[in-house]
Order: sequence, then C-alpha cells, then structure tokens
Amino acid sequence: DAGVIQSPRHEVTEMGQEVTLRCKPISGHNSLFWYRQTMMRGLELLIYFNNNVPIDDSGMPEDRFSAKMPNASFSTLKIQPSEPRDSAVYFCASTGLPRGLAGKETQYFGPGTRLLVL
Amino acid sequence: AQSVAQPEDQVNVAEGNPLTVKCTYSVSGNPYLFWYVQYPNRGLQFLLKYITGDNLVKGSYGFEAEFNKSQTSFHLKKPSALVSDSALYFCAVRDDGSSASKIIFGSGTRLSIRP
Repeated sequence: DAGVIQSPRHEVTEMGQEVTLRCKPISGHNSLFWYRQTMMRGLELLIYFNNNVPIDDSGMPEDRFSAKMPNASFSTLKIQPSEPRDSAVYFCASTGLPRGLAGKETQYFGPGTRLLVL
Repeated sequence: AQSVAQPEDQVNVAEGNPLTVKCTYSVSGNPYLFWYVQYPNRGLQFLLKYITGDNLVKGSYGFEAEFNKSQTSFHLKKPSALVSDSALYFCAVRDDGSSASKIIFGSGTRLSIRP
C-alpha cells in the first residue's frame, strides 16, 4: 500500500490567493483527518470525516477554511483567501478498522504539505 | 472530555542510557493510548498502542510503553537510547466511550540523544 498521499508537498503563494491541498487516504480506510502543525500551536485537528461525512469541524480556524470529501478516496482542504498566518505544515491522516478488531484504530499520516504564504 | 499531557518539552539523554518520555491522560471511559514519532520534515509515524491486555506494550524500534491506570500514565521507554532516536514524540488518547473517532494528541516532547 502506498500509504496516505498528499499533494503538493510544498506550496508557496501570495497573500490573498486560493490554496487547495489534496489527500488520498489509504484504500479501505473510512475516517480521514486534517491537521495543521506550527511551532507555536503544535499539532491541531482541523476537521475529520467518517464515511465521507464531516463529523467535527470545530478546529477549522475560520470561514476562509473549507474541506470536502467527495468520495472515499479523495479529500481537499481549501484556504480562500490565504493569509501569512496560515503558513504551516498540513497533514492528512486516515484510519480504518482492521478485520476482526472492531474499535481498534491507528491513524496513519501522510508526509504533509508545507505551506508558505507570503 | 478526553485530554493528554506531555509535561516535558525536551528530554536529553546520553546514548546508551535508558530513556523515558512522560505522558498522562484523562478520559471518561477506557483509554486507547498511542505513541507517535516525527522525524524532521516527515509525517507522524505510529510507534505503539495500548487498547487492552498487558500493561507493558512493545512497539517499533525497541520502544515500549507502560500503561498505569492508577496514575493515568502511559510513559514511553527504551532501555538503551540511540542517537537516531532523536525526534519529536507525541502521545495520543482516544476515549473508547466516545462515539467520535478522533484522537487527541499531546503537545509533543523533543527527544535529544547525545553521542
């Protein structure tokens, strides 16, 4: 399995531009998580989906951030308009119930997208 | 509500010495506990987890963690540290009494192993 795939790996943009981050979870996993990591705030959960449905978006900083999961194999996190304070590493992670071990989940993380907003 | 605390921002250990990275948790039900490691410019990697069973859990790279219910702790340990163990370590918890899937991560502890 290729693991969780994120693109792009690096993004540099100017303030006010729209940024779209992409994630492909591990095949068969039914939960997907978006995190943001900065030196100041550490690792923050932004939003997560179960079976493509957003369950908890209380971590999304403001209306400029939106996330979608149109199908089980793809999710996007969009920032519009972007601001310098959005500069961070954004991680996507997925979980799925191993066979015969209901309730036992481990999150698998992608390599992250390093975003710099100038 | 579930929470997890890592009281040390940084732990420094000499190579070959034992290491401990501390973690305490709070949940309303029974805890699912995890340790992850993050190397520079990489995503978090799963090390080990406790769900039920033996209190001593063995994981990747020679790490182990001890679940202590009375002290609500899940400290990460290794008998003999390697320089290559230097990284950022995260403890995480999920409340099995919660219908939510989310896991709460601690603030991280930077482990530095000196030669």
